Amino acid sequence: QQPVQSPQAVILREGEDAVINCSSSKALYSVHWYRQKHGEAPVFLMILLKGGEQKGHDKISASFNEKKQQSSLYLTASQLSYSGTYFCGTEMEETSGSRLTFGEGTQLTVNP
Amino acid sequence: NAGVTQTPKFQVLKTGQSMTLQCAQDMNHEYMSWYRQDPGMGLRLIHYSVGAGITDQGEVPNGYNVSRSTTEDFPLRLLSAAPSQTSVYFCASSYTGPRSPLHFGNGTRLTVT
Repeated sequence: QQPVQSPQAVILREGEDAVINCSSSKALYSVHWYRQKHGEAPVFLMILLKGGEQKGHDKISASFNEKKQQSSLYLTASQLSYSGTYFCGTEMEETSGSRLTFGEGTQLTVNP
Repeated sequence: NAGVTQTPKFQVLKTGQSMTLQCAQDMNHEYMSWYRQDPGMGLRLIHYSVGAGITDQGEVPNGYNVSRSTTEDFPLRLLSAAPSQTSVYFCASSYTGPRSPLHFGNGTRLTVT
């Protein structure tokens, strides 16, 4: 069951904030976030496990609401280097330990 | 450390041909997986393996075979290439599966004519 990401695309000016959402109709055990720049491989940002914890480093953080099966990625004071496509990957409880299913991605563009 | 190494980087096949995409990792990861990425469709799981000798199907397994005879290697075989298999293929590995970060290879861009 593919998670749903929103928005599909967002354009920011340098220094602005953005929120990217990821939701599932299935009970989740974990949520991953990755960033992919054009022509490159996805790069890991963070994992959130069942338990509703919030994680972050520097100006990128994320939360996981296990009651709503939703995760949000927060990018504050965006930098040009934040541009890329962001993917959430979800591990469902029913297939726990085996599959990571990705959303369709959110394209983030940060302009000067 | 090389991480996850995929070969070749580019490949053009004719319809009906077969080939193997290679994936090797040197991080002693138990979990390995193959994804395909098509424009606007994100990353779709083809096959995965939780350890040597164990493989299972993902979301889009038809037309692909895998085997895992060693911890390091996880080749993906296209049995009879079709234009619908034109895509970018990524191999990814992790220490313990979805509970730990996936490390991606640089991808193989495959075109089937």
